Amino acid sequence: DIVLTQSPDSLAVSLGDRATISCKSSQSLLYSFTHKNYLAWYQQKPGQPPKLLIYWTSTREPGVPDRFSGSGSGTDFTLTISSLQAEDVAVYHCQQYYSLPFTFGGGTKVEIK
Amino acid sequence: QVQLVQSESELKRPGASVKVSCKASGYTFNSYGMNWVRQAPGQGLEWVGWIPTNTGNPIYAQDFTGRFVLSLDTSVNTTYLQISSLKPEDTAVYYCARSRDAYNSHDVSDIWGQGTMVSVSS
Repeated sequence: DIVLTQSPDSLAVSLGDRATISCKSSQSLLYSFTHKNYLAWYQQKPGQPPKLLIYWTSTREPGVPDRFSGSGSGTDFTLTISSLQAEDVAVYHCQQYYSLPFTFGGGTKVEIK
Repeated sequence: QVQLVQSESELKRPGASVKVSCKASGYTFNSYGMNWVRQAPGQGLEWVGWIPTNTGNPIYAQDFTGRFVLSLDTSVNTTYLQISSLKPEDTAVYYCARSRDAYNSHDVSDIWGQGTMVSVSS
């Protein structure tokens, strides 16, 4: 199984500052035929189901604010929140859908400093 | 409005069975697949499996073979997760989540149900 390792486990960021979350994969998620990385990011607020933010590494889901961006390729990926807002307090999960079973990272909790 | 509505929370004894439902509305049911995801209390997300709503032939993660069964009833736009021989470690919230591709499991989950808490305790 592909293992996704997220870091840090948690981070506290001041309002308006940048938050950066890393997701490292034990295998490449780049499918050479499509030139796409099969990596997604989800946001989960307390008591709520996850919400899709980004797929194919960097494509934002419609309605997701542009302060959220994804980058990376192969085995190293990053989710960046350019200017943290109060409503961004949540746990963020990365997921690979390259290889069965589809696996998730352990999650990163983002809080306000 | 596109939505997935899951059945209510369940409290079961060890060894019993449970069947969680997930009713879809607001979209063409058999144009999308359905993932199921487990989240134990205070833990991360685990992918249980995927069922294509056109063929109904599910795929499971290795840890969820045997006691976990995905099924569907296209007449009522509903998918089901049945768990047999329940164990205390099955205690978790179970989510259904729409998969964008009806034919290929390799896609993301764009719409999620509200989750169903299954508690297993004697």
